[in-house]
Amino acid sequence: EVQVVESGGGLVKPGGSLGLSCVASEFTFSGYTMNWVRQAPGKGLEWVSSITSSGSYTFYADSVQGRFTISRDNAKYSLYLQMNSLRPEDTAVYYCARAPNWNPPHFDSWGQGTLVIVSS
Amino acid sequence: SSELTQPPSVSVSPGQTARITCSGGKLGHKNACWYQQKAGQSPVLVIYEDTMRPSGIPERFSGSNSGHTATLTISGTQAMDEAAYYCQAWDSSAGVVFGGGTKLTVL
Repeated sequence: EVQVVESGGGLVKPGGSLGLSCVASEFTFSGYTMNWVRQAPGKGLEWVSSITSSGSYTFYADSVQGRFTISRDNAKYSLYLQMNSLRPEDTAVYYCARAPNWNPPHFDSWGQGTLVIVSS
Repeated sequence: SSELTQPPSVSVSPGQTARITCSGGKLGHKNACWYQQKAGQSPVLVIYEDTMRPSGIPERFSGSNSGHTATLTISGTQAMDEAAYYCQAWDSSAGVVFGGGTKLTVL
C-alpha cells in the first residue's frame, strides 16, 4: 500500500525555524512530483510547495516564497520542507502528498499530517 | 482570477443527489479535481482531470467541468459521504489553487 509519513512538527517561536520530513514507501518515489499542503486549524486546504520528480524544479505559494525550501532525496525516498522565519499564520497541519504529474497536478496519496504551531 | 469559489455548505437527504459547485474565472480550461475530507482524517482524492475516478472510489461520485464551473455530483448519497469537499485546479501564475471547501451534510 502506498504510504507517506510526515514528521518533524512541533512548537516553535515566531521567527524560528523548523524542518519537516516525509518518508515514502511502496511506490517508485523518483517517478512522482511531491508536495506539501497545509491546513490551519478549522480552515481549508492551502498548497505550500511542490518539487518535480528529479528535483529540478520547485514551486512555492506566494505566502511562503523566500521563507520555505522544499527538497528531496530520491535515494532515501524522502521529501523535506525547511521552514524559516516562521509566523503565527504558518500554524497548521502540514501534509505530504504525492502527485503523478505536474501541470496539472492532482494529489492521489496523502500522509496523516504533522502539526506545526508557531507561538510565543 | 485564480480563486475557486465553493458554497460553504450543502445539505442532502440520504439516497438523493448532492451537487457541489466550484467556480473560477478560467476553470473550464483547467483540469479540476476534488477531495473528500472526513472529520479528523486526511483528504482523499475522489475525482481528477474533471471526470476521472481513482480506483476504489464508488461510482456514485462523478465530476463535470464546463465554462466557469466544475461540479462534483454524488448520486444516491449515503451517510458515509458526509464530509468536507474541496475542489482544486492549477493556475499558471498562482500554482495549485484550492477552493474554500464545502461541508456536505446528509440529513
